[in-house]
Amino acid sequence: AQTVTQSQPEMSVQEAETVTLSCTYDTSENNYYLFWYKQPPSRQMILVIRQEAYKQQNATENRFSVNFQKAAKSFSLKISDSQLGDTAMYFCGTSGTYKYIFGTGTRLKVLA
Amino acid sequence: GAGVSQTPSNKVTEKGKYVELRCDPISGHTALYWYRQSLGQGPEFLIYFQGTGAADDSGLPNDRFFAVRPEGSVSTLKIQRTERGDSAVYLCASSTGADGSPLHFGNGTRLTVT
Repeated sequence: AQTVTQSQPEMSVQEAETVTLSCTYDTSENNYYLFWYKQPPSRQMILVIRQEAYKQQNATENRFSVNFQKAAKSFSLKISDSQLGDTAMYFCGTSGTYKYIFGTGTRLKVLA
Repeated sequence: GAGVSQTPSNKVTEKGKYVELRCDPISGHTALYWYRQSLGQGPEFLIYFQGTGAADDSGLPNDRFFAVRPEGSVSTLKIQRTERGDSAVYLCASSTGADGSPLHFGNGTRLTVT
């Protein structure tokens, strides 16, 4: 079974500042992947960053990076130099062989 | 290239009616997923297709919900005897089917049952 927990329903950050969104997960899969997706008001889920669990190095994509702590089953997302366009819902997720499970999301608001 | 397309974008129906929601995945993607997203919640898994067959339909809430993918491309989610509790955004996603391959989502269909 897979579960994903996001304990921060809402967060805000000043433009140009850094913010970290938390995520913990549980899975019975030996080989799995972790994701962060962004969902703006347009409703389309957009992949932000992806981490393969067997890789120890934390994934980075431009201003987005993760802190993957496998033993603690923690997968937080750090957004540097926050921009107004980062305002959205952010969903953490995990997948094993095929099933993708998501958390309840964190609503991030970037303030001008 | 074209992304995942879902039609209609919005659907309003009366309680008890039948609805069909359509998903056109990215060309060549063998895996297709349906999720349901209620207000303020994350996407909830409904069903997964690999090719034409439903490999996992464990998320379908009851037998009023059914989905097909007859030619391994377009999929239709069918809901019979709709109830007000079925109101939600229904998201479709596709992927190459490889382990851990990212899901590509459509814009969803917002279903409102009055």
